[in-house]
Amino acid sequence: GQQLNQSPQSMFIQEGEDVSMNCTSSSIFNTWLWYKQDPGEGPVLLIALYKAGELTSNGRLTAQFGITRKDSFLNISASIPSDVGIYFCAGMSFGNEKLTFGTGTRLTIIP
Amino acid sequence: NAGVMQNPRHLVRRRGQEARLRCSPMKGHSHVYWYRQLPEEGLKFMVYLQKENIIDESGMPKERFSAEFPKEGPSILRIQQVVRGDSAAYFCASSPAMNGAFFGQGTRLTVV
Repeated sequence: GQQLNQSPQSMFIQEGEDVSMNCTSSSIFNTWLWYKQDPGEGPVLLIALYKAGELTSNGRLTAQFGITRKDSFLNISASIPSDVGIYFCAGMSFGNEKLTFGTGTRLTIIP
Repeated sequence: NAGVMQNPRHLVRRRGQEARLRCSPMKGHSHVYWYRQLPEEGLKFMVYLQKENIIDESGMPKERFSAEFPKEGPSILRIQQVVRGDSAAYFCASSPAMNGAFFGQGTRLTVV
């Protein structure tokens, strides 16, 4: 089955730093999605990508859909305390609309 | 436009009872996904449904678990004869098809 490897598993950064995380897949996806989950809450959709090579921004967040369609990255610039949480990538492919999730990246901001 | 609504938010069941989890998708969304999440873990796919059809149930245990998404009304995830290992957060997401999926707040099931 499809597998998504997300890295890093966890990040410890200081406020104001930039953050980068990525996902790689064993197979091609036609849609890449990035979510953030706070404790006790459901995942919230941050960015959706639909075309290989696409670069999309949402405020301080930027995500790219890899040219090979097997990877995607998410960058967060100038991190702030409310960025703390778990970030998940997810992929979907035509003909198999099951949304497959990565293992998550836990972001912690060190005071 | 209301988001995905799940109820109840918290559900406590004794071993052997039935658990019914409800999910009302966003207006206009005809696709529903159910995921299960254990503490400190990721989201595990269970089942994907369109109205009146189960499209992919490869992540759902063959026994005791069932899901439906009727023509009218919410999607239901049913767990019969619950066991302690069923304790988890169950999330529903809805989608207008290949355009991103939006999650509800989840139902936290505790089996005692």
